[in-house]
Formats: sequence, structure tokens, C-alpha cells
Amino acid sequence: GQNIDQPTEMTATEGAIVQINCTYQTSGFNGLFWYQQHAGEAPTFLSYNVLDGLEEKGRFSSFLSRSKGYSYLLLKELQMKDSASYLCAVAGRDDKIIFGKGTRLHILP
Amino acid sequence: GAGVSQTPSNKVTEKGKYVELRCDPISGHTALYWYRQSLGQGPEFLIYFQGTGAADDSGLPNDRFFAVRPEGSVSTLKIQRTERGDSAVYLCASSSPSWDTGELFFGEGSRLTVL
Repeated sequence: GQNIDQPTEMTATEGAIVQINCTYQTSGFNGLFWYQQHAGEAPTFLSYNVLDGLEEKGRFSSFLSRSKGYSYLLLKELQMKDSASYLCAVAGRDDKIIFGKGTRLHILP
Repeated sequence: GAGVSQTPSNKVTEKGKYVELRCDPISGHTALYWYRQSLGQGPEFLIYFQGTGAADDSGLPNDRFFAVRPEGSVSTLKIQRTERGDSAVYLCASSSPSWDTGELFFGEGSRLTVL
């Protein structure tokens, strides 16, 4: 089966850096995703990692370690608009994609 | 349209009624996913199609839930004898055959309320 764990809530300050961790167990692995979801809206794609290492995309970076079943999303230069839920998701061997419960990130001015 | 379209955007029904939720994916996308999301939770996997066939329906909660995709494009999620616990936002997402970026494109969801 598949299982994904991430913290329920985090708080950070505008302009700072925050790291959101995700651990997973899966039968087969075809990639790990991070999505952002603002309240009342659909999730929007942030990143996709299939190989180990760090992928950087502007203020957002995502890291993957397949051997440890671990990923993190790093957000730099936090802005108030980054207040949202961040969803970690994993694609298993058959491309079934399972989401974690999400991490609600609160940004303080 | 260019994106994933879901209808209706809102549906209010009474306990015991039958409902259908429709998803029109991006043209050419062969993979289509249905999720259910309750307030404060992540999307819960229901079913996944590759083309016309259900590749994995292990997330359907019970036999009141059924989904079809007869021509490999539009999909309909059908819920019989609705219960109050079925109230949630039902999300549909599609992805391209190559899936080189791994991105799922989500619709805006159908909010189902069972009274």
C-alpha cells in the first residue's frame, strides 16, 4: 500500500525560509509531487521529483531521497500569498497517485 | 476549453437520492483521476482511468460509487443512495500520456452537499 505523512500545520514569518517535510511508504515508485492549494481552490502543481536530489524552481525547491522515503519542499523569501496548504503526493508503480493530508502554512507579517 | 471542466460546480441533494458528477479532461489526456476532499484534508483517491478502462478503483468507498469513461474522454462519477457522509468536494484531474513533468491538471471541483 501507500502511506504519506506530513505535518498538519506550520507557521513562518514573511521573508523567511520554511521547509515542509514529507515521508512516504509505497509499493513501487514513479515520482513525488508537491501541490499548493489555497482555501476553496483546486490544487496547483509546484514540483515533480523522480530522481534523488534537489530541484530548484524560483523561490521553491523540492528534494527527494528515494532510499529514505523522504522529501521536502523549501520555500524561500516567504510572501503573504504563500499562506496555503501544501500537499505531498506519490505515484506508485501503476501510476496511482496518493496525496497526503496536507500541511497548512500560516505566514505572519 | 483549455482546462479540466467539472459540472455541476455545486450540487445539493437529499439523502437517498442519486447524483452524477461530470468531468471533461484536457483534450488528449489519457489519464483521468477522481478524488474526494473533505474540509481540512488532502484529496482522497477514488479511481483512476487510463483511456476507457479503470486502471485502479480501489479507492471507491463502497458499491454505491461507480465511475465510467466510455469513450476515453469525459468521465462521470455516479453515487447512488447518497448519504450525509458523501458530502465533500469531488475533484477530477487529468494528465498527458507522456507525463514528462508529472503534472496533474485539476478541475475546480464539484461541491456535493447531502442534506
